[in-house]
Amino acid sequence: GEDVEQSLFLSVREGDSSVINCTYTDSSSTYLYWYKQEPGAGLQLLTYIFSNMDMKQDQRLTVLLNKKDKHLSLRIADTQTGDSAIYFCAEKTGRRALTFGSGTRLQVQP
Amino acid sequence: GAGVSQSPSNKVTEKGKDVELRCDPISGHTALYWYRQSLGQGLEFLIYFQGNSAPDKSGLPSDRFSAERTGGSVSTLTIQRTQQEDSAVYLCASSRDPEGGYTFGSGTRLTVV
Repeated sequence: GEDVEQSLFLSVREGDSSVINCTYTDSSSTYLYWYKQEPGAGLQLLTYIFSNMDMKQDQRLTVLLNKKDKHLSLRIADTQTGDSAIYFCAEKTGRRALTFGSGTRLQVQP
Repeated sequence: GAGVSQSPSNKVTEKGKDVELRCDPISGHTALYWYRQSLGQGLEFLIYFQGNSAPDKSGLPSDRFSAERTGGSVSTLTIQRTQQEDSAVYLCASSRDPEGGYTFGSGTRLTVV
């Protein structure tokens, strides 16, 4: 079956870059997503990448996809305290519902 | 509506009682999903509705859990004879089509005492 794994915690200083990593097992994934969850809130879609791409940039966010290694990363440039949240990666295969990782808690220190 | 609406936002129930959780998806979104998020855990898929197709119930953890979607819009997740391990945040999401990104509601926090 499919599995998505993430490290649990990342701490960075304000102004530094953050890199959140994710690995997945299903080689037939079509789309990969990054969601952000702030305390007490639902998940907010940040960005997504189609599986035939290897990079996507959107303002301070850069997504890198290594399909051979089934590795996805999210880089946040110039990390701010407002970026503190839990970040989930998710993969989609066919018409199945998204499979989510367990989330990475990003702590930004002033 | 403007977003996905879930009610109630918080529910405390006694062990053994039944509960109903409601989800109002975005108007026009054909796909609706229920997930469960336990403390410190990721999202566990429960059930998925797509248009008039039979729902994908493969994630429901036991036969105490059921869901329906009336008129292709509002969905209700029912948990019968609740147990303490059912305590979690139940999240609903909808999407315009199965390939689209999901819009999540704020969730219902269920506490079974």
